[in-house]
Amino acid sequence: QSALTQPASVSGSPGQSITISCTGTGTDVGGSDYVSWYQHHPGTAPKLIISDVSSRPSGVSSRFSGSKSGNTASLTISGLQAGDESDYYCSSYTSTNIRVFGTGTRVTVL
Amino acid sequence: QVQLQESGPGLVKPSQTLSLTCTVSGGSIRSGDYFWSWIRQPPGKGLEWIGYIYYSGSTYYDPSLKSRGTISLDTSKNQFSLSLNSVTAADTAVYYCARERRWGHHFDYWGQGALVTVSS
Repeated sequence: QSALTQPASVSGSPGQSITISCTGTGTDVGGSDYVSWYQHHPGTAPKLIISDVSSRPSGVSSRFSGSKSGNTASLTISGLQAGDESDYYCSSYTSTNIRVFGTGTRVTVL
Repeated sequence: QVQLQESGPGLVKPSQTLSLTCTVSGGSIRSGDYFWSWIRQPPGKGLEWIGYIYYSGSTYYDPSLKSRGTISLDTSKNQFSLSLNSVTAADTAVYYCARERRWGHHFDYWGQGALVTVSS
């Protein structure tokens, strides 16, 4: 099972919107309703920000949204803020009961 | 509030066994609503799923571990553990324990992580 493909880095100015893609195959992202996204500041515990493709857990800002089309899931951060600088990972449940993570994306606020 | 905390040696010699324990507080590992998982992050790399254990004792591992990993439960202490044998430098990583929701397969609570270095 290969890691899901994410861009290594994405950047944007404060207030802008950015989108991070997460590309897999029909046995993971494309065939799963269980895609999640995590915000990870190095040295801390990763934080769940999107579950089930597009659901936001309680307490997560509405500026974070998720979607999926075919084998690609996406995380959009709107109204970018300095505090959004972090690493972001997608994850998918697969048809073989394996969980797979994305390669990770470093978000930089310019 | 659910909390998870990893503990164990930070240094392991090559070919030996890495052992980590995750202590869960604020919730019971006997719940059938969750899988109890281990995830790692090698230096400079992304997150890698290792495997999980269910309250019944059933386990599932990433095939890339080539059967080197074992996850076990201690319900009396509300803990679960990871053993990884025949370690090499490639097993050097920050190891996280996490709770995965059975319905949804997302990791909603994580430990802070424990750095394990494999070196002689």
